Amino acid sequence: DTEVTQTPKHLVMGMTNKKSLKCEQHMGHRAMYWYKQKAKKPPELMFVYSYEKLSINESVPSRFSPECPNSSLLNLHLHALQPEDSALYLCASSQGWLAGYNEQFFGPGTRLTVL
Amino acid sequence: AQSVTQLDSQVPVFEEAPVELRCNYSSSVSVYLFWYVQYPNQGLQLLLKYLSGSTPVESINGFEAEFNKSQTSFHLRKPSVHISDTAEYFCAVTRTGANNLFFGTGTRLTVIP
Repeated sequence: DTEVTQTPKHLVMGMTNKKSLKCEQHMGHRAMYWYKQKAKKPPELMFVYSYEKLSINESVPSRFSPECPNSSLLNLHLHALQPEDSALYLCASSQGWLAGYNEQFFGPGTRLTVL
Repeated sequence: AQSVTQLDSQVPVFEEAPVELRCNYSSSVSVYLFWYVQYPNQGLQLLLKYLSGSTPVESINGFEAEFNKSQTSFHLRKPSVHISDTAEYFCAVTRTGANNLFFGTGTRLTVIP
């Protein structure tokens, strides 16, 4: 199984809602990532988890809260988002945490719209 | 710090014609360079990767990338494109010992029948 799955595929939420994005992989990878991709822009790294511990937070606002309950799962909890947070949220995983040696496998993404 | 520049935001090309997607990087240390492809409504897939100083690897999709140290370029080429190659292509860079990728702004390749 070389797949990273993400749910839901699409999410529409209001600015006062609380929602969560889910990412799952069963490749035994020990590093997992959240990226944000705006339309016609490259992906931007948000968070990196290595061995289930947060290792990188790219100065992401606290309205985004990541969680890694176990080595296969990565969640992104959303609260009080702004319309400018609308984007494609991509999850990725890799065997190890060194980007040069470890290919990152990406999920299909969750298309988020904040009204 | 490292960064990549993709010089063309859009590249239209006729089917079975050759194509080159350009990427320039800047870094003062040894780097890893990558090309990723993103098909519509999908995540990113690795096409190929390269560590400066080693031999480039041809991807399974028939693409190849030429590393040019003097010009700090890592252009992607394919001798004959297919309709199915229509996608967004991202060049990315990381440095030895780092765990984050820096992506270029992407090139939209459109193959015209």
